[in-house]
Amino acid sequence: GENVEQHPSTLSVQEGDSAVIKCTYSDSASNYFPWYKQELGKRPQLIIDIRSNVGEKKDQRIAVTLNKTAKHFSLHITETQPEDSAVYFCAASNEVSGGYNKLIFGAGTRLAVHP
Amino acid sequence: DTGVSQDPRHKITKRGQNVTFRCDPISEHNRLYWYRQTLGQGPEFLTYFQNEAQLEKSRLLSDRFSAERPKGSFSTLEIQRTEQGDSAMYLCASSPTSEGGGYTFGSGTRLTVV
Repeated sequence: GENVEQHPSTLSVQEGDSAVIKCTYSDSASNYFPWYKQELGKRPQLIIDIRSNVGEKKDQRIAVTLNKTAKHFSLHITETQPEDSAVYFCAASNEVSGGYNKLIFGAGTRLAVHP
Repeated sequence: DTGVSQDPRHKITKRGQNVTFRCDPISEHNRLYWYRQTLGQGPEFLTYFQNEAQLEKSRLLSDRFSAERPKGSFSTLEIQRTEQGDSAMYLCASSPTSEGGGYTFGSGTRLTVV
């Protein structure tokens, strides 16, 4: 069945360092890959997304890369700050003409940024 | 209408009781989704609607769970004969038809079954 694997489960970095989180997906029909940040007790917040027609997307300190052939996509955070500390989830979905199908989430990565 | 609203925020119920949660999506969004999240895990898909039609229901969802979206606007999720294993955060999300919108999640309903 559909599956998204996410690594690592925990990540600890020093402020100013870079952080990389990697995901793989199983469903070849997936064409939409969002990343969510979730702080304790709060809703998942979309931070960046990428569609299968591009290989890379960047938004300030955050970038996402996609390798469709290998079914891999990754989140890169540069110049990390303590406020980046949260749980990050990758997800995959299939966007069709009528909208988005269900999201399949990874298990999450708990990122801790130490001052 | 600034986001997805869920009600209630918290619900404590005794085992065996029925509970119902409500979700109000962003008004122009045609798709509405329900997810369940337990501590330390990613959200798990339950079901989703396009307008009033229920398009898919997770095979993991037992017959005790039912969801409706009668007029294609708000949705309700009912759990009958609750069990302790139902304790979780129930998240609702909505998305638009067109590319570029993505999903927007509500703040969730935290259910505790005692």
